[in-house]
Amino acid sequence: SYELTQPPSVSVSPGQTARITCSGDALPKQYAYWYQQKPGQAPVLVIYKDSERPSGIPERFSGSSSGTTVTLTISGVQAEDEADYYCQSADSSGTGAVFGGGTQLTVL
Amino acid sequence: QVTLRESGPALVKPTQTLTLTCTFSGFSLSTSGMCVSWVRQPPGKALEWLALIDWDDDKYYSTSLKTRLTISKDTSKNQVVLTMTNMDPVDTATYYCARIQGTYSSSWYVDYWGQGTLVTVSS
Repeated sequence: SYELTQPPSVSVSPGQTARITCSGDALPKQYAYWYQQKPGQAPVLVIYKDSERPSGIPERFSGSSSGTTVTLTISGVQAEDEADYYCQSADSSGTGAVFGGGTQLTVL
Repeated sequence: QVTLRESGPALVKPTQTLTLTCTFSGFSLSTSGMCVSWVRQPPGKALEWLALIDWDDDKYYSTSLKTRLTISKDTSKNQVVLTMTNMDPVDTATYYCARIQGTYSSSWYVDYWGQGTLVTVSS
């Protein structure tokens, strides 16, 4: 079955830039979406259609795409950004959705 | 204001069938582009997409679970029901109901989530 691959963890110091990648063979043809999930809470959409930011999401969150990899970038990381981040896209057949394995962002 | 709420048993026994109901408000599942999906998350693990039903009553399932899942809707009651057969302890998870807007799979993303319901599978 189709998979999206994320690094299990990323660590950064406050004020630095965090980059979280998501790889999948179908990503050149399918949009990617990013969610932030804090403990005990439902996920929140932070990026849609590879690089668009929903209203209410801080400008420090951005997304980009290159080939089979999409990247979530958080510039000037703040302590409140510590969370799990998941990418999501359509599967290679276009008949279902799939989530990546998630990346735990730790703010040192 | 869009809200979704999951309901169903908190505990099921192995081999039993799980039935979960999503009751939503603030939108109509008969509106073009509207979809409702189920997503689950085992404790401490990643999100897993399960199934989706759209405004046109088209249904889509996780490839790995499709033989066990059935999704249906009752538009008049603003409800979506998910059944999962032959439950196993590995199916223990928080099950989320979610709204998705999109007319094709590449545009599917969740804009509203329910609060989730924890289902434990144990004898």
